[in-house]
Amino acid sequence: GAGVSQSPSNKVTEKGKDVELRCDPISGHTALYWYRQSLGQGLEFLIYFQGNSAPDKSGLPSDRFSAERTGGSVSTLTIQRTQQEDSAVYLCASSPWGTSEKLFFGSGTQLSVL
Amino acid sequence: KNEVEQSPQNLTAQEGEFITINCSYSVGISALHWLQQHPGGGIVSLFMLSSGKKKHGRLIATINIQEKHSSLHITASHPRDSAVYICAVNKGGSEKLVFGKGTKLTVNP
Repeated sequence: GAGVSQSPSNKVTEKGKDVELRCDPISGHTALYWYRQSLGQGLEFLIYFQGNSAPDKSGLPSDRFSAERTGGSVSTLTIQRTQQEDSAVYLCASSPWGTSEKLFFGSGTQLSVL
Repeated sequence: KNEVEQSPQNLTAQEGEFITINCSYSVGISALHWLQQHPGGGIVSLFMLSSGKKKHGRLIATINIQEKHSSLHITASHPRDSAVYICAVNKGGSEKLVFGKGTKLTVNP
């Protein structure tokens, strides 16, 4: 595709429900990142995938958060038992190799937990 | 203290003015990124620097590794430059970007 695609663009859910957010990176990009931007806050690293290597999960805020990347391409971020503090914009980015190169960001998923 | 500090937090300019946004960091880095986030939320990567200076159109980014400081300059500013500008660094060898809180730029016609 032409750019990084994220879906859905908006998600409203009830507290306690599980949600899945999807990211489709630029074809051929081996590095994929998830970030979170809470209202009025800066960007926060969540998780990093590089090719077939084990992901760097050190930014995930709790064990309710998980992510996978199938076939080195599409990634899914799953939040279980959502809480109101999970409300934020979740951004995905990809790059050809890593952060030693420019990142290409998706438009984000606005998650609202009621 | 944040590892990445930006100044100013907010900046208002008149169209045509020369703009400077500063970024200071307190950790060893392998690269520094300047990002632009428009009101709609989309983020665009402007520059990735590891040394020296880069220029793209009216935008210039510089970095001084010894002083742990980078600047983003906009020449002949225009209302369409209004956005939040974010500085981010790779802590030496890590893929985990650490972000500044951003500088909100408003350019008035």
